[in-house]
Amino acid sequence: NAGVMQNPRHLVRRRGQEARLRCSPMKGHSHVYWYRQLPEEGLKFMVYLQKENIIDESGMPKERFSAEFPKEGPSILRIQQVVRGDSAAYFCASSPPGLAGGDEQFFGPGTRLTVL
Amino acid sequence: DAKTTQPPSMDCAEGRAANLPCNHSTISGNEYVYWYRQIHSQGPQYIIHGLKNNETNEMASLIITEDRKSSTLILPHATLRDTAVYYCIARPGAQKLVFGQGTRLTINP
Repeated sequence: NAGVMQNPRHLVRRRGQEARLRCSPMKGHSHVYWYRQLPEEGLKFMVYLQKENIIDESGMPKERFSAEFPKEGPSILRIQQVVRGDSAAYFCASSPPGLAGGDEQFFGPGTRLTVL
Repeated sequence: DAKTTQPPSMDCAEGRAANLPCNHSTISGNEYVYWYRQIHSQGPQYIIHGLKNNETNEMASLIITEDRKSSTLILPHATLRDTAVYYCIARPGAQKLVFGQGTRLTINP
């Protein structure tokens, strides 16, 4: 069973361009989470999605950032008009369909975004 | 999510047991205690979780006090590859993980 896959692993963008980060959850997992880790800082939650639904986007910046998890295909984190402050490691995690509690999240290797 | 408190850093000799403490005095009855670790800049790795009872798996043991206000993660025979930042998180089930600063564990040869 393949783990959580993220691509690209490294992404370089110039200021003002768009960044698209992809996450394929583990087989059978229908919950996806995105986290961001700024240089020398801790992991911060961004958004939690289930298929075709955003469940919790309390950690998403109000502008330029969006996320989706379509019925078919990977989850996408999209950053429009990137700025240097967006440079970070973006991690995706997935978990199986909800239990009452006690479900662990499995993380991908991350996408390292560098904005020039 | 309940706030957790961990020491910022710890050292342990290779081959010895590493005991990582965590305080979560405001934990609610429905919140589980989770442990994750992040080795260098890799994606976080799930280690173990528990609600009330002590738990053990192939990686570690989790000891939760009877009042649930604190817990200890035990790596029974630490190796150099266990050097990482360890995060203790208290949360209900299918929700976001709130990472604190964690404990930077260094295993020394």
